[in-house]
Amino acid sequence: DSGVTQTPKHLITATGQRVTLRCSPRSGDLSVYWYQQSLDQGLQFLIQYYNGEERAKGNILERFSAQQFPDLHSELNLSSLELGDSALYFCASSERHNEQFFGPGTRLTVL
Amino acid sequence: AQTVTQSQPEMSVQEAETVTLSCTYDTSENNYYLFWYKQPPSRQMILVIRQEAYKQQNATENRFSVNFQKAAKSFSLKISDSQLGDTAMYFCAFMKPPLDSNYQLIWGAGTKLIIKP
Repeated sequence: DSGVTQTPKHLITATGQRVTLRCSPRSGDLSVYWYQQSLDQGLQFLIQYYNGEERAKGNILERFSAQQFPDLHSELNLSSLELGDSALYFCASSERHNEQFFGPGTRLTVL
Repeated sequence: AQTVTQSQPEMSVQEAETVTLSCTYDTSENNYYLFWYKQPPSRQMILVIRQEAYKQQNATENRFSVNFQKAAKSFSLKISDSQLGDTAMYFCAFMKPPLDSNYQLIWGAGTKLIIKP
């Protein structure tokens, strides 16, 4: 158990819908990262937050947005969902430049 | 821009053998961090080993060790006495010196390792 929690574990929705994925980092970690992993693919970095502020941005679509709240949990919002958005979404947290600890992921299926 | 290359898409070895996974990276930085992560069939991402570029000594974690060649920009992972549970995707990742709390990792494409009984 990495100490990073993600909810929900599985999510099935239809095209055009909007969903919110939630992440709670390890206690004390100020950085939260979001990744997308499509089937049999590598990790695509989406975005990083540090203590509530955006710090790095990767290949995140305009339909996607994220935020980190004062209690340090983070949410990833995906809107106008398309079939190609079906993937495993990981959240990770870290303490400064140390290793990232990953949550179990949320598996999103768009039908 | 920094890049990470894992040139072996897939490897397979017999149980108890030693296997080496390769990783090369491109950077103009002098101080940085390198990581190996594994992703077993459960899809959980697990840190295997970490190396700071300013340390000349190669990192070791039980059966896992690295061969860090800074001048060659190479960071290979050696797994000794391989076990069936080592079957997983292995990802190499690079972190440049953090600036303004930006701790983004640059990831390789991964190597699928299969340990055969």
